[in-house]
Amino acid sequence: DTAVSQTPKYLVTQMGNDKSIKCEQNLGHDTMYWYKQDSKKFLKIMFSYNNKELIINETVPNRFSPKSPDKAHLNLHINSLELGDSAVYFCASSQGGEEKLFFGSGTQLSVL
Amino acid sequence: SQQGEEDPQALSIQEGENATMNCSYKTSINNLQWYRQNSGRGLVHLILIRSNEREKHSGRLRVTLDTSKKSSSLLITASRAADTASYFCATDDFNKFYFGSGTKLNVKP
Repeated sequence: DTAVSQTPKYLVTQMGNDKSIKCEQNLGHDTMYWYKQDSKKFLKIMFSYNNKELIINETVPNRFSPKSPDKAHLNLHINSLELGDSAVYFCASSQGGEEKLFFGSGTQLSVL
Repeated sequence: SQQGEEDPQALSIQEGENATMNCSYKTSINNLQWYRQNSGRGLVHLILIRSNEREKHSGRLRVTLDTSKKSSSLLITASRAADTASYFCATDDFNKFYFGSGTKLNVKP
C-alpha cells in the first residue's frame, strides 16, 4: 500500500484551464503539505493543513486553492493555469512530534 | 530566506568511493534533515539531526551539524550505483520544512 498517493502522475493542459490534483495518505498523519518543485529542482512549500485547517500559506497566488475534506486528504485546485505553473507538485504528510515528511511520488504539471 | 542550500550542485564518483555533500542555512533551527530523491520519485527521509547534536550515523550515512557555522554535511561511505539520486537538506521552522535545490549524485559502476 502506498503511504502517500497523489493523482494524476502527469497532467498536460492548456493555459487558462482549471485543474485539480488529489492527495491521500493512509498513515494516520495529522498534517499534510503541498510542495512545488521547479525545473531547477528547488522545492518550495506552498500550503500546510493540520486536521483540515490551513496553517501555512506561503504567499501562493490565490489561483491555487487547497481543500482538505478530512485529515487523510488534501487536494489542490488551480484556476487559470499559467505557463509558470509548470512544475512537479508533491504532496507530503507528517505526524506532529515526529517531524519527518513522507512524500507522494509527485504530479508533473505541464502547461502549454 | 530560510531554505537550505546544498553544495556541490552535482557530484560524480566511482562506486566504492565516499560522497560528501554540504548544506548551509541562514536562521536558527530545531533540527536538520536529509532526504533522497530518485529520478521521477518523491523525496525519502534519510536522517534527522537535532540542533544539540553534532554527529549522527545511520548505516553508511554520517551527518554532522555545526550550528555556529550554520552548516551540515552528509557523508555516504562506500557508495553504490543505487545511491545515484539527488540529496536535499531540510531545515524546519514550526511545521515549515525548507529545502534547497539539492546535490545530484552520480555513482558510476
